[in-house]
Amino acid sequence: VQLVESGGALVEPGGSLRLSCVVSGAPMRNFVMNWVRQAPGKGLEWIADLRNGATTYHYADAVRGRFTISRDNAKNSVYLQMTSLRADDTALYYCVSTVLAIVPRFDHWGQGTMVSVSS
Amino acid sequence: DIQLTQAPSALSASVGDRVTIACRTSQSVSNYLNWYQHKPGQAPKLLIYSASNLETGVPSRFSGAGSGTHFTLTISGLQPEDFASYYCQQSISFPRTFGQGTKLEIK
Repeated sequence: VQLVESGGALVEPGGSLRLSCVVSGAPMRNFVMNWVRQAPGKGLEWIADLRNGATTYHYADAVRGRFTISRDNAKNSVYLQMTSLRADDTALYYCVSTVLAIVPRFDHWGQGTMVSVSS
Repeated sequence: DIQLTQAPSALSASVGDRVTIACRTSQSVSNYLNWYQHKPGQAPKLLIYSASNLETGVPSRFSGAGSGTHFTLTISGLQPEDFASYYCQQSISFPRTFGQGTKLEIK
């Protein structure tokens, strides 16, 4: 399974950005899809997930109401729509898959796409 | 939210050493605890899932133990490629949370 993110950029505070992730090697419908980020010099932070039915999702408090995760199984793609961006959203954003299992884990990771929020 | 605290935050060791990293959770997560390795410029990699199960393809020198609120990751016989950062992560509840990380450096 391979995941490739795109869409990262430099954006001004208050701006919007849409990240994309294409999954190959297996049908994406088999996975829960997540976004995890890492701010410069910091640790890993999970921010959102979306189940296969695309109606069950969860968000971290830090992004709830500003970010929206979505998926298109036909295109094997997952997206992260980011609005009202702030400086503390600056991070490397990873697309991550979770296979359906009793104990969920982050099985496969993309290489990440960088989002910088600055004026 | 469930808080995860790793100890130590940084560790210096030599090739061939045995090292142990601890992860404590603020409430019981049963065995819903995973470990990841992260090298600079690379994607994180799943090492251990469900506290003690070795992910396919991960060398057997890595092992995990624990349940409830106390967990450990042990590397027996450090290899040069093992110097990296390590993170524990819980998946019993949302939000999914990670420990702050342990950076393993060459002595």
